[in-house]
Amino acid sequence: EAQVTQNPRYLITVTGKKLTVTCSQNMNHEYMSWYRQDPGLGLRQIYYSMNVEVTDKGDVPEGYKVSRKEKRNFPLILESPSPNQTSLYFCASSGRGTQYFGPGTRLTVL
Amino acid sequence: AQKVTQAQTEISVVEKEDVTLDCVYETRDTTYYLFWYKQPPSGELVFLIRRNSFDEQNEISGRYSWNFQKSTSSFNFTITASQVVDSAVYFCALTTAGGTSYGKLTFGQGTILTVHP
Repeated sequence: EAQVTQNPRYLITVTGKKLTVTCSQNMNHEYMSWYRQDPGLGLRQIYYSMNVEVTDKGDVPEGYKVSRKEKRNFPLILESPSPNQTSLYFCASSGRGTQYFGPGTRLTVL
Repeated sequence: AQKVTQAQTEISVVEKEDVTLDCVYETRDTTYYLFWYKQPPSGELVFLIRRNSFDEQNEISGRYSWNFQKSTSSFNFTITASQVVDSAVYFCALTTAGGTSYGKLTFGQGTILTVHP
């Protein structure tokens, strides 16, 4: 089954404790990206990757890192999470223009 | 800059009513793609449809239909005979085919649809 998976689905952590949200797709898509969704602010792109080892900033990249060492994986790294990074995060992948989203990761930073 | 506007913040209907969700977009690119996504209460984002800027044909899929009009920069979504399971947040989104905006989806603010039994 073609899908985008994210882990964990839910995470509660504390300020400053490094964390990684994994994202994997099995559709051989070149383009992958991360979005965050916040009430009143909608969905905003954090980072994207057009292929292996090619990444670039989206609209709200501060406080995040990404890497793309393999085509299928695109992890999102929060080196020192802060409460303003509490949000719902979505990973997406795209082959021919249509972006398919993972199930979301609900992150709470205390 | 690209922009997507969904003027209807919330819509409430009774089951079996027809409902139309409006979407107006702005872009300077001549080649672009428009999308609708559904976000049910469970939270995931479900792809519904994609439309290319050079294809103005309307589309029908079961109870869903989409009306794309370049002249008014609109891409409206109609649900016929709504059902309770249609209750969700619906997002209209836009992306372009090239340049620095390639691949980035610009979302509207979403329309919360509630269908009452």
